[in-house]
Amino acid sequence: EVQLVESGGGSIQPGGSLRLSCAASGFNFRNYWMHWVRQTPGKGLVWVSRINPDGTYTSYADSVKGRFTISRDNAKDTLYLQINSLRDEDTAVYYCTKDLSGGVDYWGQGTLVTVSS
Amino acid sequence: QSALTQPASVSGSPGQSIAISCTGSSSDVGAYNYVSWYQQHPGKAPKFIIYDVSTRPSGVSDRFSGSKSGNTASLTISGLQTEDEADYYCISHTGTGTYVFGTGTKVTVL
Repeated sequence: EVQLVESGGGSIQPGGSLRLSCAASGFNFRNYWMHWVRQTPGKGLVWVSRINPDGTYTSYADSVKGRFTISRDNAKDTLYLQINSLRDEDTAVYYCTKDLSGGVDYWGQGTLVTVSS
Repeated sequence: QSALTQPASVSGSPGQSIAISCTGSSSDVGAYNYVSWYQQHPGKAPKFIIYDVSTRPSGVSDRFSGSKSGNTASLTISGLQTEDEADYYCISHTGTGTYVFGTGTKVTVL
């Protein structure tokens, strides 16, 4: 059974940094593209970033480019999202998702990041 | 990277069929057969129900079907049931290595 478990969320002041983690199991993690998606409470889904299987290619939404960094450790079956220079509008539930043919299939339960002074 | 356009809400009575549109451009929805659909109940993570425009994953009811014409993809729910009441989102690859979600549609079963 595919499982994605996010951690690392919390309450942080504007301008701060945070690293989110996602522990993957139930599939061959090193063979799959992975994505992060976020959702502001009560609002819609927003695609954030993706990374290729060996970690050599990444892409980002314009709204986070230059501030967020996606990475992975295939030896630990773990995906990461480093978030810097946090802004109020970064407040959201962040989901770790597994790639499937031009979209995503499996989702974690999400981790909440709250940016507030 | 503007969000794909979906109707804010769609409603129907039990047993009826409804359709949700997802309109993009020739750079995303119109360019690739890479549109997926997700169902999200309140407080839950999204669940994927359609990929590659019209393919249903194993275990997803055949009451859900997808299609595409030009720059608009559509999700049809036939034989509407109370448990179908949820938010629905589309996503498309954009061809620049990025992806874009739709604005989301709230389905209400009357």
